[in-house]
Amino acid sequence: DAGVIQSPRHEVTEMGQEVTLRCKPISGHNSLFWYRQTMMRGLELLIYFNNNVPIDDSGMPEDRFSAKMPNASFSTLKIQPSEPRDSAVYFCASSLTGGRGGTEAFFGQGTRLTVV
Amino acid sequence: GENVEQHPSTLSVQEGDSAVIKCTYSDSASNYFPWYKQELGKRPQLIIDIRSNVGEKKDQRIAVTLNKTAKHFSLHITETQPEDSAVYFCAPRNTGFQKLVFGTGTRLLVSP
Repeated sequence: DAGVIQSPRHEVTEMGQEVTLRCKPISGHNSLFWYRQTMMRGLELLIYFNNNVPIDDSGMPEDRFSAKMPNASFSTLKIQPSEPRDSAVYFCASSLTGGRGGTEAFFGQGTRLTVV
Repeated sequence: GENVEQHPSTLSVQEGDSAVIKCTYSDSASNYFPWYKQELGKRPQLIIDIRSNVGEKKDQRIAVTLNKTAKHFSLHITETQPEDSAVYFCAPRNTGFQKLVFGTGTRLLVSP
């Protein structure tokens, strides 16, 4: 398996534009997480899915953010409209939970978003 | 899990010294205690973990110790090397739930 794959690696967009970040989790993993990382706030959990179902989106900053997981191999995080304060590195991670659970979370390489 | 804090937030040591990072958590149901390392510009990666039925685990120069009563666990790095410089995150978790919340992070700088 190639690991968790995120695209794009870098995104520069103008304020007000729609941004879509994509993630392909490791095959067989049943949990998927979206994080935002900044110097000020560290690694924030935005939303996570289990078996493609959103379980907790309490970390989503506001209605401009939305996430979907239409199937076990694909998820998107969308920001519409984007603002300069959304500039950050966005990570997707996946893991296998259930049973004894608690196994390692594998991260994608991240998407560095810059909103100008 | 949930309320997770790390201390110190930054740590500077000389090469060869030991470093200790502490993670405190609030959820007494936590039973899985991993540490992740994130090098500059890279993704976080697991370096060591421990489960609640074990008090200590060691892997070469790194070790993790757990105090469930006090609700904290620590990462110990001995004989530090410049390549240990990174940000370290803890992520205590209840394996009955999927939520994965990371600590506030500790920036370790090892000077040659």
